[in-house]
Amino acid sequence: DARVTQTPRDKVTEMGQEVTMRCQPILGHNTVFWYRQTMKQGLELLAYFRNRAPLDDSGMPKDRFSAEMPDATLATLKIQPSEPRDSAVYFCASGLGGTTDTQYFGPGTRLTVL
Amino acid sequence: AQSVTQPDIHITVSEGASLELRCNYSYGATPYLFWYVQSPGQGLQLLLKYFSGDTLVQGIKGFEAEFKRSQSSFNLRKPSVHWSDAAEYFCAVRNSGNTPLVFGKGTRLSVIA
Repeated sequence: DARVTQTPRDKVTEMGQEVTMRCQPILGHNTVFWYRQTMKQGLELLAYFRNRAPLDDSGMPKDRFSAEMPDATLATLKIQPSEPRDSAVYFCASGLGGTTDTQYFGPGTRLTVL
Repeated sequence: AQSVTQPDIHITVSEGASLELRCNYSYGATPYLFWYVQSPGQGLQLLLKYFSGDTLVQGIKGFEAEFKRSQSSFNLRKPSVHWSDAAEYFCAVRNSGNTPLVFGKGTRLSVIA
């Protein structure tokens, strides 16, 4: 049963620290999305990639967030420096690029910035 | 810009009763519509999707949804709710191609005995 995996599942850190979240998309999927879920904003897109190339990162605060795909099996989301307002659940999703394809979500990383 | 409205923040139903969760979307072209479910502490699981064709779509766990273009709606239904259906339900829309989803705020479903 192919799944999207995310690590860590939970992260508690102090303001100003660097945070790195990792995602392993389903093997063969060429499209990877990062979403953030907060009580206030709900689920919102941060960035997405197709064939490892970033297509849209307009949802990310550019000064502190960065997203990359070092290879086809790994996507990373970094926050440096982290702030309390970054506390949220960060979801990675993957899929194929076709019109009728769907997105499969990982279990999320719950980030708490103190 | 696309948007999704789920008018009901929280719904409580009795086990065995029928369920309808409302979803309205705003999108200029033909929408690609989805319902996802999120159990506490879990990721999102796809319940069903609509791309084209038959406007009544069947999903997993006994759920179905009906696309009504004239009402810009894609309501989720289940004839008989089980206690295990208690969760948060999200309606979402996107463009053609596997592009980012725009989500509604979600509806939390509680099931009582």
